[in-house]
Amino acid sequence: KQEVTQIPAALSVPEGENLVLNCSFTDSAIYNLQWFRQDPGKGLTSLLLIQSSQREQTSGRLNASLDKSSGRSTLYIAASQPGDSATYLCAVPVVDSSYKLIFGSGTRLLVRP
Amino acid sequence: EPEVTQTPSHQVTQMGQEVILRCVPLSDHLYFYWYRQILGQKVEFLVSFYNNEISEKSEIFDDQFSVERPDGSNFTLKIRSTKLEDSAMYFCASRPPGGRIQYFGPGTRLTVL
Repeated sequence: KQEVTQIPAALSVPEGENLVLNCSFTDSAIYNLQWFRQDPGKGLTSLLLIQSSQREQTSGRLNASLDKSSGRSTLYIAASQPGDSATYLCAVPVVDSSYKLIFGSGTRLLVRP
Repeated sequence: EPEVTQTPSHQVTQMGQEVILRCVPLSDHLYFYWYRQILGQKVEFLVSFYNNEISEKSEIFDDQFSVERPDGSNFTLKIRSTKLEDSAMYFCASRPPGGRIQYFGPGTRLTVL
């Protein structure tokens, strides 16, 4: 059964710092991995989807990496800004299912001005 | 850019009442999902729907829950007799044929008193 874990649960950094969020999954047979952003009380905004055949995917200041064999993904945020403050979730679809997503519990990020 | 929409944004109901949560998926999408997130907990899969029938459901999705695509555009989640523990944010998602990204709506916050 696929399980997704994210560490740290919370992170507070000063503005401008580069940071890394971690996501691990127990079953390496994945199609892809998706990173989401969630603002308090709000919906899920898809940030990046990294295919199982890819090692990295970039969008602006965000870079996601994937190491299937070790069951890990990282989300790198460069030059963090207060507007990056949110909860970041990773999710993987379950193979041989209706493509339902299994989510991690998220990392709550606070970027201090 | 087209978006998945959900109504209402917030629903307050009394325990034992029926509620219907509505979603309008993207027009060319054929796969539909409901997820929920109890406050402070992970986003959890409830049900997936394709070709006018449930393709997969979780153990959470018991006889109190039902889904329907009544008119070819709306996708609804009905909870027949709400319980206190049904209080959560409910997210609808949709996916196009052959696509690997699920597009999420903004969510409906359900509060059961």
